[in-house]
Amino acid sequence: EAQVTQNPRYLITVTGKKLTVTCSQNMNHEYMSWYRQDPGLGLRQIYYSMNVEVTDKGDVPEGYKVSRKEKRNFPLILESPSPNQTSLYFCASSLSPIFDEQYFGPGTRLTVT
Amino acid sequence: SQQGEEDPQALSIQEGENATMNCSYKTSINNLQWYRQNSGRGLVHLILIRSNEREKHSGRLRVTLDTSKKSSSLLITASRAADTASYFCAYFMDSNYQLIWGAGTKLIIKP
Repeated sequence: EAQVTQNPRYLITVTGKKLTVTCSQNMNHEYMSWYRQDPGLGLRQIYYSMNVEVTDKGDVPEGYKVSRKEKRNFPLILESPSPNQTSLYFCASSLSPIFDEQYFGPGTRLTVT
Repeated sequence: SQQGEEDPQALSIQEGENATMNCSYKTSINNLQWYRQNSGRGLVHLILIRSNEREKHSGRLRVTLDTSKKSSSLLITASRAADTASYFCAYFMDSNYQLIWGAGTKLIIKP
């Protein structure tokens, strides 16, 4: 089954404790991206990747890191999480960013206390 | 922070009526997409319209794009209770591959 998976689905952590949210797709998609969703603000793109070893900042990259060492995986790293990073995070992928739809993962609800 | 604009923010209609949502943007675009989200779950793609297209249909959905006005609309005809969800527009600027999202329209269909 074609899908985007994220882990964990729910995470409660404390300020400053490094964490990684994994994202994997099995559709051989070139383009992958991370979003955060906050009430009343819609989705905001954090980082995106056009292909292996190619990543670019989105709208709100501060406090986040990503890597794209393999085509299928695009982990999101919070080196020192803060409470303002409490949010719902989505990973998405598409074959071509310009011509094709985005496929979304189920989301990761992160709480930083 | 870049963001598209959608209106209305919320829309409540009776089952069977039509629902129209609008999206406006500020830059030249490659395409514009519409997505649906059911209460905090993952987003589901509805329809993609390219910048050289003016109208597109998919089942009960009709999307229009007016590049001169930098706006798009999503029409859902003969609404059903299952259409209750939030609807988002998203577009790629033609200058890069960053995807910009509208703030969404929350649609409630009353039985």
